[in-house]
Amino acid sequence: DAGITQSPRHKVTETGTPVTLRCHQTENHRYMYWYRQDPGHGLRLIHYSYGVKDTDKGEVSDGYSVSRSKTEDFLLTLESATSSQTSVYFCAIKSGDVYEQYFGPGTRLTVT
Amino acid sequence: KNEVEQSPQNLTAQEGEFITINCSYSVGISALHWLQQHPGGGIVSLFMLSSGKKKHGRLIATINIQEKHSSLHITASHPRDSAVYICAVGTGNQFYFGTGTSLTVIP
Repeated sequence: DAGITQSPRHKVTETGTPVTLRCHQTENHRYMYWYRQDPGHGLRLIHYSYGVKDTDKGEVSDGYSVSRSKTEDFLLTLESATSSQTSVYFCAIKSGDVYEQYFGPGTRLTVT
Repeated sequence: KNEVEQSPQNLTAQEGEFITINCSYSVGISALHWLQQHPGGGIVSLFMLSSGKKKHGRLIATINIQEKHSSLHITASHPRDSAVYICAVGTGNQFYFGTGTSLTVIP
């Protein structure tokens, strides 16, 4: 599993509240990714990071921000959660120069 | 626009049948991946390939770079193969994913 953990694993929150999801890796990988998975859409990239303090937007970045102050941690923040952000969120890493991607266990977020 | 298209979206098979899932992509790639996701579960990488064919147990993955097409075959399917199979391509530092094929194998 490439040492990737996500927290929390499940969360229910109310519309308008801020939410932060954490991805932690233990193997010093440079690239980290946040995806959301929704029925009919597959996995879609929210943001990714290519190093400490280096991040870029993906195709569905509106309403999300990220931070990476340490190599091992990549945080995803929903500043003001909306019902459309109810989804399963997966963190992933890219293994070095090889195009191998490993996924965390996922976080199921429900916004009521 | 969908960089990666999979077919079929849903597939039901009897135990023991030979199964094929197809993937077409429209971008230049560094590698293609086949992923497996069991219901409520995490995502596991089955294969990464950039040319030719790979085999792991009853699973075989092939890729045709010129035609931008890949297939995942499962021989002698088993109920434990029931899962969603996802095709993904890596290009640059990003990955693009198909919407998945939901496979159900009936005993």
